[in-house]
Amino acid sequence: SQQGEEDPQALSIQEGENATMNCSYKTSINNLQWYRQNSGRGLVHLILIRSNEREKHSGRLRVTLDTSKKSSSLLITASRAADTASYFCATDAYNNNDMRFGAGTRLTVKP
Amino acid sequence: EAEVAQSPRYKITEKSQAVAFWCDPISGHATLYWYRQILGQGPELLVQFQDESVVDDSQLPKDRFSAERLKGVDSTLKIQPAELGDSAMYLCASSLLTSGVYEQYFGPGTRLTVT
Repeated sequence: SQQGEEDPQALSIQEGENATMNCSYKTSINNLQWYRQNSGRGLVHLILIRSNEREKHSGRLRVTLDTSKKSSSLLITASRAADTASYFCATDAYNNNDMRFGAGTRLTVKP
Repeated sequence: EAEVAQSPRYKITEKSQAVAFWCDPISGHATLYWYRQILGQGPELLVQFQDESVVDDSQLPKDRFSAERLKGVDSTLKIQPAELGDSAMYLCASSLLTSGVYEQYFGPGTRLTVT
């Protein structure tokens, strides 16, 4: 069963704009991770945020975590056509090495 | 940079046939995972190994699927007999516990088409 749910399911923006994707989950977590998947390929780890962290940055990526609302957001700033991919959040249930992925947000960045 | 290897990358098989996928995790990664990803959905865990032992196979359809990791290194996932509904991407991942966190590294996947 999947725990994370990404929103929106699909997002289309112009190059240079910012893209925001949201993830909601159901149970307590130890950490939350975001992954990217290019069409027909494996997943690539982007960023991890622990349950005691509220915000984290990595290059053009900014992730926030609100454990009271059981939600996270991924912001990609100054998007590029190469950012076109599906983005998944995955939660590591507390004290359990059992990653559960959402259905993903399909991001299209138009040049 | 070390990567998770999977083969084959693509497989087409007829229903009722047997099919096998192979995965070689990153060296030193004790935990290995097999996921199934149906088009348009997120990966779903099929089986998780810690070294050679199965930790979680609750979502593995055991009547037709089997997985092994005999020496705690590479792993094989088998489907016999294959059904039309098994068409999907099969992803292998491995992880290492670092600072209390398991970060998973994924292979390129095997895309299975059952006809």
